[in-house]
Amino acid sequence: GAGVSQSPRYKVAKRGQDVALRCDPISGHVSLFWYQQALGQGPEFLTYFQNEAQLDKSGLPSDRFFAERPEGSVSTLKIQRTQQEDSAVYLCASSWDIWEQFFGPGTRLTVL
Amino acid sequence: GQQLNQSPQSMFIQEGEDVSMNCTSSSIFNTWLWYKQDPGEGPVLLIALYKAGELTSNGRLTAQFGITRKDSFLNISASIPSDVGIYFCAGQLDSGNTPLVFGKGTRLSVIA
Repeated sequence: GAGVSQSPRYKVAKRGQDVALRCDPISGHVSLFWYQQALGQGPEFLTYFQNEAQLDKSGLPSDRFFAERPEGSVSTLKIQRTQQEDSAVYLCASSWDIWEQFFGPGTRLTVL
Repeated sequence: GQQLNQSPQSMFIQEGEDVSMNCTSSSIFNTWLWYKQDPGEGPVLLIALYKAGELTSNGRLTAQFGITRKDSFLNISASIPSDVGIYFCAGQLDSGNTPLVFGKGTRLSVIA
């Protein structure tokens, strides 16, 4: 596809459930980023991959959050035992080397 | 952590008016970027600034990278209804493959 795609677009989970959010970056893009955007706020950095290597996970809010990119392409952000404060839009962005980051449409997660 | 202060938080303007918004930081960034986000979509890059003092235009948009590398502004001239949306500034230590630090956004409403 031409852009970054994310699935699902919307996810409703009961508190305590595990969720998995998928990101398909632009083909050939080396870098992949995950951001969390709370309602009315700007996106906040969660974690960053270069190919399959997770180079920075300093933004992950707790050990319930886990991200992987095993083959250096598709990435999955997993949240275990979801809490209400995890409700947000999760944005994925990819870039090729030094060029701009292109964002996907996001997954809106609502935890009840 | 690093924070960007973006102002104003929201603006209501008449169609045809010019708009100005700005962003300041306590930290130095090597790249400043301005994004626009429409409802249900990810941020889209409008202008990227790579050098202190740089003034860059993209159609009706003009942005400047402050000399101190701690601030930036975005101007929109002759606003039109499709300018409606949320505008975010973002700072980056190095272009492309480092995380973005976002402001909280300026919500722009245009009255026809």
